[in-house]
Amino acid sequence: QQPVQSPQAVILREGEDAVINCSSSKALYSVHWYRQKHGEAPVFLMILLKGGEQKGHEKISASFNEKKQQSSLYLTASQLSYSGTYFCGTELPGANNLFFGTGTRLTVIP
Amino acid sequence: NAGVMQNPRHLVRRRGQEARLRCSPVKGHSHVYWYRQLPEEGLKFMVYLQKENIIDESGMPKERFSAEFPKEGPSILRIQQVVRGDSAAYFCASSPTPQDSPLHFGNGTRLTVT
Repeated sequence: QQPVQSPQAVILREGEDAVINCSSSKALYSVHWYRQKHGEAPVFLMILLKGGEQKGHEKISASFNEKKQQSSLYLTASQLSYSGTYFCGTELPGANNLFFGTGTRLTVIP
Repeated sequence: NAGVMQNPRHLVRRRGQEARLRCSPVKGHSHVYWYRQLPEEGLKFMVYLQKENIIDESGMPKERFSAEFPKEGPSILRIQQVVRGDSAAYFCASSPTPQDSPLHFGNGTRLTVT
């Protein structure tokens, strides 16, 4: 039930763009995205419900393709503060919890 | 508004001792989740509770682990007779509804078993 994230790690220079992917083998009700900095709590970024919607949060946006059970997180014009590990969490219909992927470690360098 | 409060932040226990981890959810949130995170790994679901009820404990080991969320007071994750493999960060999260809501995470309790 754990979603698969890719890539596992990515290094960007400030101002560059990145895409993080999350896929599930099961039909999803929603996808959540969180960012965790080292030694800290995960912080909520956004939720996407089935319907193929796209959401944005500053220069971070995401899409959800319910037919493919895939979600992508788009980071544009990356900033140093974007560094951290990004987790997607998938929610099944009628389920009571999120299953998190293994994470994508993003490092933004000057 | 206070966020999710977890204590202690760090807990050291010797093998065989008991560990009690506490979590006070965001005020007004009645849904609490516990996750375990090993170093450099993702968050593994353990248990989901509402006030006085365990709703889903499918991620909880069958032995030594228990959780509660009493009518009054914080949620407690209890690990009896700890072993070295229990060493991890344990995160608690809360939400106002079971679906469609962001999870608000606490800062975690880092358990070290010596």
